[in-house]
Amino acid sequence: AQSVTQPDIHITVSEGASLELRCNYSYGATPYLFWYVQSPGQGLQLLLKYFSGDTLVQGIKGFEAEFKRSQSSFNLRKPSVHWSDAAEYFCAVGATGYKLSFGAGTTVTVRA
Amino acid sequence: GAVVSQHPSRVICKSGTSVKIECRSLDFQATTMFWYRQFPKQSLMLMATSNEGSKATYEQGVEKDKFLINHASLTLSTLTVTSAHPEDSSFYICSARMASGGSQETQYFGPGTRLLVL
Repeated sequence: AQSVTQPDIHITVSEGASLELRCNYSYGATPYLFWYVQSPGQGLQLLLKYFSGDTLVQGIKGFEAEFKRSQSSFNLRKPSVHWSDAAEYFCAVGATGYKLSFGAGTTVTVRA
Repeated sequence: GAVVSQHPSRVICKSGTSVKIECRSLDFQATTMFWYRQFPKQSLMLMATSNEGSKATYEQGVEKDKFLINHASLTLSTLTVTSAHPEDSSFYICSARMASGGSQETQYFGPGTRLLVL
């Protein structure tokens, strides 16, 4: 069965600093991978996705993620964090029947 | 593009009553819609998969008689929480997958509905 692990429950980063959120997945075939962001009390917004091709994926809001098959990872990065990036971030892997299997999420706090 | 709405955004009801939540894809047709439940500070838990014109498929442990799902058209799915109890209080989120074109593997999420049962 598919599964996603986000090792970091909470990350605090200074505004302007770089951010990296870790995601490891377990899936038998080539995975469909997603990163979503959720602001408090809101739904999920798609940041980026990987299906195939270039392993470095660019997304919205200046985010990028790199797929590394050898490490079963799909880490999310942003070079310079803005206060508005404070949110909950979810990594997900596509499963059978177009379902998504989500990680537990990482809370990002941005300090001034 | 790929906008999904939910109504209501927030609802408070008395124990024993039923509550209906609507999920609409505004600018695309959705073959499949998904219903999730999210507890505070936790991830999303898939409740059921809703396909237009057919019965919903429920995840293990989800009571289908309590959480009635109807997917009457390619743009609308409804979740009815029947005889709601305080333990049903939660944040309910729907998502939709495009029927054609675009990226059919991608789910687009609604803004969620906060349900509070007194």
